[in-house]
Amino acid sequence: EAGVTQFPSHSVIEKGQTVTLRCDPISGHDNLYWYRRVMGKEIKFLLHFVKESKQDESGMPNNRFLAERTGGTYSTLKVQPAELEDSGVYFCASSLLGGAGEQYFGPGTRLTVT
Amino acid sequence: GESVGLHLPTLSVQEGDNSIINCAYSNSASDYFIWYKQESGKGPQFIIDIRSNMDKRQGQRVTVLLNKTVKHLSLQIAATQPGDSAVYFCAENQAGTYKYIFGTGTRLKVLA
Repeated sequence: EAGVTQFPSHSVIEKGQTVTLRCDPISGHDNLYWYRRVMGKEIKFLLHFVKESKQDESGMPNNRFLAERTGGTYSTLKVQPAELEDSGVYFCASSLLGGAGEQYFGPGTRLTVT
Repeated sequence: GESVGLHLPTLSVQEGDNSIINCAYSNSASDYFIWYKQESGKGPQFIIDIRSNMDKRQGQRVTVLLNKTVKHLSLQIAATQPGDSAVYFCAENQAGTYKYIFGTGTRLKVLA
């Protein structure tokens, strides 16, 4: 079974540019999560989808971040315009069930904003 | 691979010895806890989990201990091997929510 995949693995952009990250969850997993780790700090929750619906976006830092999951399959996370403090590693995870239970993480996308 | 941060706590252990990694969690309402292992360039991988109605759970070479009184979680790795070198994160989940709250992580270095 294929795991969670993310694209690209690494992105380097200039401040003010736009970047779109993609996540493909494990097939059949309705729950999809975005997390990020900035400046070597702890991994922080960004938002949670159930199918195509946003269930919780309390962790989204500001309106420069937009997540979508049209069709309830893959998800995109767009940062527009990117700022220096957005640099970090963005992880996607998916799970079959919501709530307590294992979330399967992708390898992450390392975003560097210069 | 991902840099793990300049200020990440590091535990160095001799190969073959036992490792104990500690974590203080933040929310007394959390009722589910997970330990994840992250190797360079990879995402966090599940190691073991425990619910709040338990204080100990054992897996293969790993044991998780939960002390709800002091909000403390620990991961014990028996007979530590070079392949155990990684960053270890604890994560907590509060009933009724879907997000995990992660600790800052501990880097485990296994010395040959």
